[in-house]
Amino acid sequence: NAGVTQTPKFQVLKTGQSMTLQCAQDMNHEYMSWYRQDPGMGLRLIHYSVGAGITDQGEVPNGYNVSRSTTEDFPLRLLSAAPSQTSVYFCASTPSPFRTEGQETQYFGPGTRLLVL
Amino acid sequence: DQQVKQNSPSLSVQEGRISILNCDYTNSMFDYFLWYKKYPAEGPTFLISISSIKDKNEDGRFTVFLNKSAKHLSLHIVPSQPGDSAVYFCAASAYRYNFNKFYFGSGTKLNVKP
Repeated sequence: NAGVTQTPKFQVLKTGQSMTLQCAQDMNHEYMSWYRQDPGMGLRLIHYSVGAGITDQGEVPNGYNVSRSTTEDFPLRLLSAAPSQTSVYFCASTPSPFRTEGQETQYFGPGTRLLVL
Repeated sequence: DQQVKQNSPSLSVQEGRISILNCDYTNSMFDYFLWYKKYPAEGPTFLISISSIKDKNEDGRFTVFLNKSAKHLSLHIVPSQPGDSAVYFCAASAYRYNFNKFYFGSGTKLNVKP
């Protein structure tokens, strides 16, 4: 199993450009989520999905779109990049979307470092 | 406003001694807590967890303590090893949210000196 994979590892964008951060998992996990990590702020939830076709907003969803057409993939789209979106982005997955004892652990990808100029 | 706080951005400890990392939370609905460890250029990896029905959970060198009345948890690493040098995040979730939504602290960078 590759676990959770993310591409690209690093990206530089100009303000106003759009791009898609890719996330895939091969563990058949139902729950997937996107976080951003900023200095002094920890990881903040952007969007999450409890299964194919179902997504919802997290703490900081503005400026981002997501879709979940398959169980494996959960791409994050930046519609019009802004310098405030410079961050490290992590995708994570969990076996069950519901609070199930023993299945709360999230598995994280290696991250995508994004710089918006 | 952050619901989970780690007020110490960094901690330096000598190899073999105890490392104590602290975490405070404000939401009394939180009932499940986890610690993650993160090395540079990698994603966080799960370390240890604790449910609110317990006040202590041990896994080898790692022990997590939960003080519900103080809304405080701590991670003890004994003995500390140089390989433990990493950033440690605590995270919390609430059953009433139903889904596996977690709130993370800002992290504490642990440096274990040989």
